[in-house]
Amino acid sequence: EIVMTQSPATLSVSPGERATLSCRASQSISSNLAWYQQKPGQAPRLLIYGASTRNTGIPARFSGSGSGTEFTLTISSLQSEDFAVYYCQQYNNWRTFGQGTKVEIK
Amino acid sequence: EVQLVDSGGGLVQPGGSLRLSCAASGFTFSTNWMTWVRQTPGKGLEFVANINQDGSDKNYEDSVKGRFTISRDNAKNSLYLQMNSLGVEDTAVYYCARDHITGCFVDWGQGTLVTVSP
Repeated sequence: EIVMTQSPATLSVSPGERATLSCRASQSISSNLAWYQQKPGQAPRLLIYGASTRNTGIPARFSGSGSGTEFTLTISSLQSEDFAVYYCQQYNNWRTFGQGTKVEIK
Repeated sequence: EVQLVDSGGGLVQPGGSLRLSCAASGFTFSTNWMTWVRQTPGKGLEFVANINQDGSDKNYEDSVKGRFTISRDNAKNSLYLQMNSLGVEDTAVYYCARDHITGCFVDWGQGTLVTVSP
Protein backbone atom coordinates (compact mmCIF):
# COMPACT_ATOMS: atom_id res chain seq x y z
CA GLU A 1 0.00 0.00 0.00
CA ILE A 2 1.23 3.47 -0.86
CA VAL A 3 1.37 5.61 2.27
CA MET A 4 0.71 9.32 1.91
CA THR A 5 2.24 11.61 4.54
CA GLN A 6 1.12 15.22 4.87
CA SER A 7 2.89 18.00 6.71
CA PRO A 8 2.40 19.95 8.80
CA ALA A 9 -0.61 18.56 10.65
CA THR A 10 -1.75 22.10 11.42
CA LEU A 11 -0.80 25.33 9.69
CA SER A 12 -1.63 28.68 11.27
CA VAL A 13 -1.87 31.45 8.70
CA SER A 14 -3.20 35.00 8.65
CA PRO A 15 -5.76 35.98 6.00
CA GLY A 16 -4.01 37.27 2.89
CA GLU A 17 -0.87 35.26 3.55
CA ARG A 18 0.45 32.35 1.51
CA ALA A 19 -0.02 28.77 2.69
CA THR A 20 2.19 25.90 1.56
CA LEU A 21 1.11 22.32 2.28
CA SER A 22 3.24 19.25 1.62
CA CYS A 23 2.42 15.68 0.72
CA ARG A 24 4.89 12.82 0.36
CA ALA A 25 4.25 9.40 -1.16
CA SER A 26 6.03 6.29 0.08
CA GLN A 27 6.86 5.39 -3.53
CA SER A 28 6.64 7.13 -6.87
CA ILE A 29 3.12 7.93 -8.02
CA SER A 30 4.09 9.94 -11.11
CA SER A 31 1.57 12.82 -11.22
CA ASN A 32 -1.39 10.74 -10.06
CA LEU A 33 -2.21 12.97 -7.11
CA ALA A 34 -5.28 14.93 -6.11
CA TRP A 35 -5.93 17.55 -3.44
CA TYR A 36 -9.25 17.98 -1.63
CA GLN A 37 -10.64 20.61 0.71
CA GLN A 38 -13.01 19.62 3.51
CA LYS A 39 -14.96 21.94 5.79
CA PRO A 40 -16.71 20.78 8.98
CA GLY A 41 -19.84 18.77 8.28
CA GLN A 42 -19.20 18.70 4.53
CA ALA A 43 -17.88 16.19 2.05
CA PRO A 44 -14.43 16.66 0.55
CA ARG A 45 -14.25 18.88 -2.52
CA LEU A 46 -11.84 18.16 -5.37
CA LEU A 47 -9.42 21.05 -5.89
CA ILE A 48 -6.54 19.68 -7.95
CA TYR A 49 -5.92 16.51 -9.97
CA GLY A 50 -2.96 15.35 -11.99
CA ALA A 51 -0.84 17.08 -9.32
CA SER A 52 -1.34 20.52 -10.90
CA THR A 53 -4.66 20.79 -12.81
CA ARG A 54 -7.35 22.81 -11.10
CA ASN A 55 -10.82 21.29 -11.11
CA THR A 56 -13.62 23.30 -12.71
CA GLY A 57 -14.53 26.37 -10.70
CA ILE A 58 -11.51 26.29 -8.39
CA PRO A 59 -9.96 29.75 -7.92
CA ALA A 60 -6.54 30.46 -9.38
CA ARG A 61 -5.10 31.13 -5.91
CA PHE A 62 -4.96 27.34 -5.50
CA SER A 63 -2.01 25.72 -7.26
CA GLY A 64 -0.41 22.30 -7.13
CA SER A 65 3.05 21.12 -8.05
CA GLY A 66 5.32 18.12 -7.83
CA SER A 67 5.73 14.65 -9.25
CA GLY A 68 7.14 11.32 -8.16
CA THR A 69 7.02 11.38 -4.36
CA GLU A 70 6.96 15.06 -3.37
CA PHE A 71 3.97 17.34 -3.87
CA THR A 72 2.88 20.80 -2.78
CA LEU A 73 -0.42 22.64 -2.58
CA THR A 74 -0.06 26.41 -2.44
CA ILE A 75 -2.81 28.86 -1.58
CA SER A 76 -1.41 32.20 -2.69
CA SER A 77 -3.50 34.55 -0.56
CA LEU A 78 -5.74 32.94 2.02
CA GLN A 79 -9.36 33.98 2.06
CA SER A 80 -11.70 33.39 4.99
CA GLU A 81 -13.41 30.54 3.14
CA ASP A 82 -10.10 28.69 2.70
CA PHE A 83 -9.70 27.76 6.36
CA ALA A 84 -10.37 24.04 6.26
CA VAL A 85 -8.68 20.65 6.22
CA TYR A 86 -6.80 19.65 3.07
CA TYR A 87 -6.14 16.07 1.98
CA CYS A 88 -3.91 14.63 -0.68
CA GLN A 89 -4.80 11.37 -2.40
CA GLN A 90 -2.87 9.12 -4.74
CA TYR A 91 -4.58 7.15 -7.47
CA ASN A 92 -1.52 5.57 -9.08
CA ASN A 93 -1.99 2.26 -7.24
CA TRP A 94 -5.46 1.84 -5.76
CA ARG A 95 -6.49 4.88 -3.77
CA THR A 96 -4.97 6.14 -0.53
CA PHE A 97 -5.30 9.44 1.29
CA GLY A 98 -3.03 11.48 3.50
CA GLN A 99 -4.06 12.26 7.07
CA GLY A 100 -4.78 15.89 6.29
CA THR A 101 -3.46 19.36 7.07
CA LYS A 102 -5.69 21.72 8.99
CA VAL A 103 -5.30 25.33 7.89
CA GLU A 104 -6.39 27.56 10.75
CA ILE A 105 -6.59 31.28 11.33
CA LYS A 106 -3.52 32.71 13.01
CA GLU B 1 -25.84 20.05 -11.55
CA VAL B 2 -24.36 16.78 -10.31
CA GLN B 3 -26.04 15.51 -7.17
CA LEU B 4 -25.26 12.43 -5.10
CA VAL B 5 -27.54 11.70 -2.16
CA ASP B 6 -26.38 9.10 0.35
CA SER B 7 -28.81 7.27 2.61
CA GLY B 8 -29.26 4.13 4.67
CA GLY B 9 -26.91 4.76 7.57
CA GLY B 10 -27.86 4.22 11.18
CA LEU B 11 -27.12 2.42 14.41
CA VAL B 12 -26.53 -1.32 14.18
CA GLN B 13 -25.21 -3.95 16.57
CA PRO B 14 -21.97 -5.80 15.89
CA GLY B 15 -22.60 -8.64 13.48
CA GLY B 16 -25.52 -6.82 11.90
CA SER B 17 -26.15 -5.62 8.37
CA LEU B 18 -26.97 -2.37 6.60
CA ARG B 19 -27.55 -1.39 3.00
CA LEU B 20 -26.40 2.04 1.91
CA SER B 21 -27.79 3.76 -1.17
CA CYS B 22 -26.64 6.63 -3.30
CA ALA B 23 -29.06 8.34 -5.68
CA ALA B 24 -27.33 10.08 -8.56
CA SER B 25 -28.56 12.84 -10.85
CA GLY B 26 -27.21 15.53 -13.14
CA PHE B 27 -24.87 13.29 -15.14
CA THR B 28 -24.96 10.09 -17.18
CA PHE B 29 -24.63 7.61 -14.32
CA SER B 30 -24.07 4.57 -16.52
CA THR B 31 -20.83 5.98 -17.98
CA ASN B 32 -18.99 6.48 -14.67
CA TRP B 33 -17.03 4.36 -12.26
CA MET B 34 -18.44 4.89 -8.79
CA THR B 35 -16.79 4.50 -5.39
CA TRP B 36 -17.62 4.27 -1.70
CA VAL B 37 -15.22 6.10 0.64
CA ARG B 38 -15.48 6.18 4.41
CA GLN B 39 -14.13 8.58 7.00
CA THR B 40 -13.33 8.11 10.67
CA PRO B 41 -11.57 10.42 13.10
CA GLY B 42 -8.90 7.80 13.68
CA LYS B 43 -8.12 6.46 10.20
CA GLY B 44 -9.21 9.43 8.14
CA LEU B 45 -10.45 8.92 4.58
CA GLU B 46 -10.38 5.35 3.31
CA PHE B 47 -11.30 3.76 -0.02
CA VAL B 48 -13.92 1.05 0.57
CA ALA B 49 -15.01 -0.27 -2.83
CA ASN B 50 -15.55 0.74 -6.43
CA ILE B 51 -17.47 -0.54 -9.40
CA ASN B 52 -17.20 -0.03 -13.12
CA GLN B 53 -19.85 1.23 -15.47
CA ASP B 54 -21.76 -2.01 -16.04
CA GLY B 55 -21.03 -3.62 -12.69
CA SER B 56 -18.75 -6.30 -14.10
CA ASP B 57 -15.61 -5.09 -12.29
CA LYS B 58 -15.55 -4.52 -8.53
CA ASN B 59 -12.72 -3.83 -6.12
CA TYR B 60 -12.67 -3.86 -2.34
CA GLU B 61 -10.41 -2.68 0.45
CA ASP B 62 -8.93 -5.74 2.17
CA SER B 63 -10.72 -5.31 5.49
CA VAL B 64 -14.18 -5.40 3.87
CA LYS B 65 -13.64 -8.21 1.36
CA GLY B 66 -16.17 -10.96 1.85
CA ARG B 67 -18.37 -8.76 4.07
CA PHE B 68 -19.32 -5.81 1.84
CA THR B 69 -20.82 -5.92 -1.65
CA ILE B 70 -20.97 -2.95 -3.99
CA SER B 71 -23.60 -2.90 -6.73
CA ARG B 72 -25.42 -0.50 -9.00
CA ASP B 73 -28.68 -0.16 -10.89
CA ASN B 74 -28.12 2.01 -13.93
CA ALA B 75 -31.84 2.09 -14.71
CA LYS B 76 -32.42 3.71 -11.32
CA ASN B 77 -29.23 5.82 -11.31
CA SER B 78 -28.34 4.28 -7.98
CA LEU B 79 -25.29 2.87 -6.22
CA TYR B 80 -25.46 0.49 -3.27
CA LEU B 81 -23.25 -0.92 -0.55
CA GLN B 82 -24.48 -4.02 1.24
CA MET B 83 -22.59 -4.33 4.51
CA ASN B 84 -22.73 -7.59 6.47
CA SER B 85 -20.95 -8.83 9.60
CA LEU B 86 -20.40 -5.27 10.72
CA GLY B 87 -17.84 -4.57 13.43
CA VAL B 88 -17.16 -1.51 15.57
CA GLU B 89 -14.25 -0.74 13.25
CA ASP B 90 -16.75 -0.10 10.44
CA THR B 91 -18.18 2.91 12.29
CA ALA B 92 -17.70 5.83 9.93
CA VAL B 93 -19.32 8.36 7.64
CA TYR B 94 -19.75 6.68 4.27
CA TYR B 95 -19.64 8.75 1.09
CA CYS B 96 -20.43 7.74 -2.45
CA ALA B 97 -18.26 9.43 -5.03
CA ARG B 98 -18.16 9.78 -8.78
CA ASP B 99 -14.81 8.89 -10.28
CA HIS B 100 -12.97 11.39 -12.42
CA ILE B 101 -11.55 9.89 -15.61
CA THR B 102 -8.09 10.07 -14.01
CA GLY B 103 -9.13 8.03 -10.95
CA CYS B 104 -9.69 10.66 -8.30
CA PHE B 105 -13.13 11.63 -7.01
CA VAL B 106 -14.79 14.59 -8.69
CA ASP B 107 -18.17 14.59 -6.92
CA TRP B 108 -19.22 13.39 -3.47
CA GLY B 109 -22.44 12.67 -1.68
CA GLN B 110 -23.17 14.35 1.62
CA GLY B 111 -22.33 11.19 3.54
CA THR B 112 -24.31 8.85 5.76
CA LEU B 113 -23.25 7.88 9.27
CA VAL B 114 -22.93 4.24 10.18
CA THR B 115 -22.52 3.50 13.88
CA VAL B 116 -21.77 -0.05 15.00
CA SER B 117 -22.25 -0.39 18.73
CA PRO B 118 -23.62 -2.96 21.20
